[in-house]
Amino acid sequence: DAGVIQSPRHEVTEMGQEVTLRCKPISGHNSLFWYRQTMMRGLELLIYFNNNVPIDDSGMPEDRFSAKMPNASFSTLKIQPSEPRDSAVYFCASSLVAQRPDTQYFGPGTRLTVL
Amino acid sequence: DAKTTQPTSMDCAEGRAANLPCNHSTISGNEYVYWYRQIHSQGPQYIIHGLKNNETNEMASLIITEDRKSSTLILPHATLRDTAVYYCIVRGNSGNTPLVFGKGTRLSVIA
Repeated sequence: DAGVIQSPRHEVTEMGQEVTLRCKPISGHNSLFWYRQTMMRGLELLIYFNNNVPIDDSGMPEDRFSAKMPNASFSTLKIQPSEPRDSAVYFCASSLVAQRPDTQYFGPGTRLTVL
Repeated sequence: DAKTTQPTSMDCAEGRAANLPCNHSTISGNEYVYWYRQIHSQGPQYIIHGLKNNETNEMASLIITEDRKSSTLILPHATLRDTAVYYCIVRGNSGNTPLVFGKGTRLSVIA
């Protein structure tokens, strides 16, 4: 089975540029989570969706960050404009809402470096 | 969600059992104990979860004390590939809520 797929795996960009991270959840899963990991703050939730609807975006750092889930098999996390402090590893995870309790499965992550 | 306390780091000899403790003294009756691990440069990997009974799967065993205030993850025969950061997470059963990660335990398996 294909797991959670994220692209790109590595992204290097310059400050001020737009960055788009992509995630394809496990087929059949209907919850999707975006997490960010830094040395200082560890792993923290940014936003999550149920059935393509954003449920909690309180972890999104500021208006420069936005996330969409146009359909059940695709989500994007966009940073515009990017700043050096956005450098981190961004993980996407998915789970099945109907499962109680559910298990989240993580993708390999996107390592973002903003120069 | 209840908070957890884990040792910062542990060592284990290859081939021996690795026992990773976790304290969760404020756990509620309907909260589960989850374990994930993160091998260097990879995404977190689900290991096991339990409510009150001990659980075992192909990766590990989870022992939860009767009062549910602590638990132990057991890797029965640790290998070098088990070197990772192990996270103990307490989570409600309402379904598809986010995971709240602490700092975890860095397990080093030594040859």
